Amino acid sequence: ELKVEQNPLFLSMQEGKNYTIYCNYSTTSDRLYWYRQDPGKSLESLFVLLSNGAVKQEGRLMASLDTKARLSTLHITAAVHDLSATYFCAPKETSGSRLTFGEGTQLTVNP
Amino acid sequence: ETGVTQTPRHLVMGMTNKKSLKCEQHLGHNAMYWYKQSAKKPLELMFVYNFKEQTENNSVPSRFSPECPNSSHLFLHLHTLQPEDSALYLCASSQLRGDTNPDTQYFGPGTRLTVL
Repeated sequence: ELKVEQNPLFLSMQEGKNYTIYCNYSTTSDRLYWYRQDPGKSLESLFVLLSNGAVKQEGRLMASLDTKARLSTLHITAAVHDLSATYFCAPKETSGSRLTFGEGTQLTVNP
Repeated sequence: ETGVTQTPRHLVMGMTNKKSLKCEQHLGHNAMYWYKQSAKKPLELMFVYNFKEQTENNSVPSRFSPECPNSSHLFLHLHTLQPEDSALYLCASSQLRGDTNPDTQYFGPGTRLTVL
């Protein structure tokens, strides 16, 4: 059974600062997804990382995947208030279509 | 949010009631999912349907009964629920083995369920 651990679970940061969210998973996975959830809203897909060494960037967010270390990171550059949300990583098991979600990292960006 | 729609958005029901949640996807996908999101818990996968066939039942109690009449519609029938079943129920769809964004799951807005 695939287990996923995100850290930190809560992150409060100032605007303009940089920070990284980590996602570790326990068994082989062939791809990994990052999602964002605003309070009271549904999940929005941010990135899909398909191979070892994959890096994707969108605005102030950059995601990377190291399948050998079973680690993905979501790096936030020069944070702004609009990035405040909960971020989930979800690796996919090698067989089937099941995603296993981490607990989520609740990010608050303060002015 | 028009890709995957869910109704109702909010539902309050007693433990003896029977109700149904509806999900519809307008993306032409071939897989649909039900998830439960409770406070302070990771998103829990409940059911998976691939090409209208149920492929996963993640040890869900029988008081939850899914139905997938076609690849665009998914229902979750509820009966004799417990207060601990109160949660946000999310539906998602994906295109299996798609060429672009393969297996990315697109979520509906959810149904906020309260069981009294």
